[in-house]
Amino acid sequence: EVQLVESGGNSVQPGGSLRLSCAASGLIFSSYSINWVRQTPGRGLEWVSFISTGSTIIHYADSVRGRFTISRDDAKNSVFLRMNSLRDDDTAVYFCICGTYAAAFEYWGQGALVTVSS
Amino acid sequence: DVVMIQSPLSLPVTLGQPASISCRSSQSLVYSDGNTYLNWFQQRPGQSPRRLIYKVSNRDSGVPDRFSGSGSGTDFTLKISRVEAEDVGVYYCMQGTQLPFTFGPGTKVDIK
Repeated sequence: EVQLVESGGNSVQPGGSLRLSCAASGLIFSSYSINWVRQTPGRGLEWVSFISTGSTIIHYADSVRGRFTISRDDAKNSVFLRMNSLRDDDTAVYFCICGTYAAAFEYWGQGALVTVSS
Repeated sequence: DVVMIQSPLSLPVTLGQPASISCRSSQSLVYSDGNTYLNWFQQRPGQSPRRLIYKVSNRDSGVPDRFSGSGSGTDFTLKISRVEAEDVGVYYCMQGTQLPFTFGPGTKVDIK
């Protein structure tokens, strides 16, 4: 059974930083592309970032480019999202998602809550 | 960005009756490789989204065959042939043809 477990969600003040982690099991992690998506009641589901197998291709949404950094460690079956200069509108539940191709979105984690508030 | 529009946004249904959700994109979702990257997801209350359908009409393993996807270009449909109680939740379409990937606003399905 494929499992994705996010961690690192927390409450932080505007301008602060957080690092989300996503640990995968039950699949050959190095063969999967990873996306991060966030969800809020007001904006719904919003794609955040993508990293390909081998980390050769990386993309970001305009709203996070320059502030967020995605990376992966295939030896640890993990993907990370470093979030700097956090703003109120970054408040959301963040999901990591694995797929056999960029747009597959096949397996979802349970989500990690990030709250940005003073 | 490709805008995804769903209708209706709320869909009360009677158990055992069919249901249909429409999804329209602001641009064609046919990619240069010939594939159309249109997914459908179900999000039950308190759960993460779960993929039901990929590339317009391919049902995921374990998804009941009462769910079906169809469409082409910019117009797509998710159909539930006979709604069951476990189908309650929010359904999203998503395009993966053009970055940024974008989702529809969701259609909330509940039982009358």
